[in-house]
Order: sequence, then structure tokens, then C-alpha cells
Amino acid sequence: GQSLEQPSEVTAVEGAIVQINCTYQTSGFYGLSWYQQHDGGAPTFLSYNALDGLEETGRFSSFLSRSDSYGYLLLQELQMKDSASYFCAVRTGGFKTIFGAGTRLFVKA
Amino acid sequence: DSGVTQTPKHLITATGQRVTLRCSPRSGDLSVYWYQQSLDQGLQFLIQYYNGEERAKGNILERFSAQQFPDLHSELNLSSLELGDSALYFCASSPPGGGYTGELFFGEGSRLTVL
Repeated sequence: GQSLEQPSEVTAVEGAIVQINCTYQTSGFYGLSWYQQHDGGAPTFLSYNALDGLEETGRFSSFLSRSDSYGYLLLQELQMKDSASYFCAVRTGGFKTIFGAGTRLFVKA
Repeated sequence: DSGVTQTPKHLITATGQRVTLRCSPRSGDLSVYWYQQSLDQGLQFLIQYYNGEERAKGNILERFSAQQFPDLHSELNLSSLELGDSALYFCASSPPGGGYTGELFFGEGSRLTVL
């Protein structure tokens, strides 16, 4: 079967750095994406890694290691508005994009 | 605003009934994806269409069906509804052609409540 594993919950303090990990096991792999979803809202795209290495977009960075079937999202200078759920997603063979169960991030003052 | 439009935003119905959810993708996008999100759960991939043709199928129940029309809007039909079908149903679209960027543009979702 196909699966994406990520922690269910992470708590961090405002201004800190947090890392959300994702390991995947899929039939075919074209890339790893990250999405943010606030309660009751639509998922919004954060980043995409097709090749190994680090991609940086402002306060957010994403890393991929294809050989380890592993990636992470790094959030720096945490703000209260970053409290949300974060999903990793894999584009697999057969044009499917499947999502992990999500990591709920709580940012405390 | 992602540019993806979903209707209705909210829907309350009874068990055994049938509903249709509608999605209009972003202008120029040929792919439409449907996802189901139950309370505090991840996004379960249901089905994908590309330019009117079914491209990929996920964990879509036989009671559910979908199609994409020539104008590229899509409809998800849910029949013989059960309590467990209560969920947020999201539609997403992605740009055509090569150079896949991994980005799906999601609509605001249709919240279905089955009583």
C-alpha cells in the first residue's frame, strides 16, 4: 500500500523554529509537496521538492531525501498565525497526489 | 482566492439521499481532483479528471461517481448517503502541460452533513 507518515501534533513557542517530518512509501514518486490548512479552510500550497535538497521560501523551507523516502518542512520565526495543520503530499505514479494525515501545529505565546 | 469555485458551501441531507457537488476549476486548468476530508482527518484522494477523461482513481466508493464536462467543470455525485459520508469535500485543479510544480489549487470545499 501507499502511506505517508507525519507526527500528529507539534507545539512550539512564538519566534522559535519547528521541523515537521514526513516519511513516505508510495508506488512511484515524482515529488513531495507541503500544504497549510487553517481550521475550516482550504489547503494552500507551501512548497514542492522534486529533487534532493533544500528549498527556501521566506520563513518556510522544505527538504527532500529521495534515497531515504523522507522530507521535512522547517518553519522559522514562528508566529501565532502559523498555528494550523500541515500536510505533506506525494505525487505518485498514475497521476495521483496523496496526502498524509496532517500535523497540527500549536504556536504558544 | 484560489480561483477554484465549489458549490454548495454547505449541504444538510438525510441518510439514503443523493447529492451533487459542483466544481469549476481555475481558468485554463484542465485537471480536476476530488478529495474527502472527514473531521480532523487527512485528505483522502477520490478521483482525478484531465480534460474530460478520468485519469486516476483513489478510494472512491461505488456509491460515488464523478464526471468532468466539456466546459471543464466537474460534478461529484454521492448516493445512498450514510452518516459516515459527512465530511468536507474539496475540489482542486492544477495547470496543464509539463513542468509539474506540485501545486494544487483548492476550492473552499463543500461541507456535507448527513443526518
